[in-house]
Amino acid sequence: AQKVTQAQTEISVVEKEDVTLDCVYETRDTTYYLFWYKQPPSGELVFLIRRNSFDEQNEISGRYSWNFQKSTSSFNFTITASQVVDSAVYFCALMGRGGATNKLIFGTGTLLAVQP
Amino acid sequence: KAGVTQTPRYLIKTRGQQVTLSCSPISGHRSVSWYQQTPGQGLQFLFEYFSETQRNKGNFPGRFSGRQFSNSRSEMNVSTLELGDSALYLCASSRSGDENTIYFGEGSWLTVV
Repeated sequence: AQKVTQAQTEISVVEKEDVTLDCVYETRDTTYYLFWYKQPPSGELVFLIRRNSFDEQNEISGRYSWNFQKSTSSFNFTITASQVVDSAVYFCALMGRGGATNKLIFGTGTLLAVQP
Repeated sequence: KAGVTQTPRYLIKTRGQQVTLSCSPISGHRSVSWYQQTPGQGLQFLFEYFSETQRNKGNFPGRFSGRQFSNSRSEMNVSTLELGDSALYLCASSRSGDENTIYFGEGSWLTVV
């Protein structure tokens, strides 16, 4: 079975603080993909990043960075120097490649509130 | 480049009615999938279409159906609406050959009263 766990339901930080959102996944597939999406109040899921299971290289994109560790089945997301505009719900998602479909399994999301 | 477009954005229906939601994928994208988002169940996969064929289906009753047209546009239909069908319905598309990057639309907010 495939599963994504985001243990942090809600996080509140003050602007300019760094914040890390945790994601733990379960899958038996040897090839899979991990995603992070941001959902502002408007509802749209905004794509942030996709990682392949065979590429554990961590990535930095501006204030965003991702730490992928297969040994602990984790794919954590860090926002450096958070801003009010970062306030949103963040979802981690998994797509296995056991079948030729694009089905995403989502975590329950983490609500990030950045206070000015 | 236009994103995934969903219509209508907001709608209110009465129990027992049916509803059709529409999705226009990003140009060149051939895979379209649908998700339901509710406070209680979170984001759940409904189905995926590729080249007008349903390629995968989630665990939803037969009242939920969909289709894809030759231009890759997709519709989903919910018949005999129940109060529990109130949700945000999200459509997503992905490009063939790079099917692992999935882009979402803004969603259709459905309220059943």
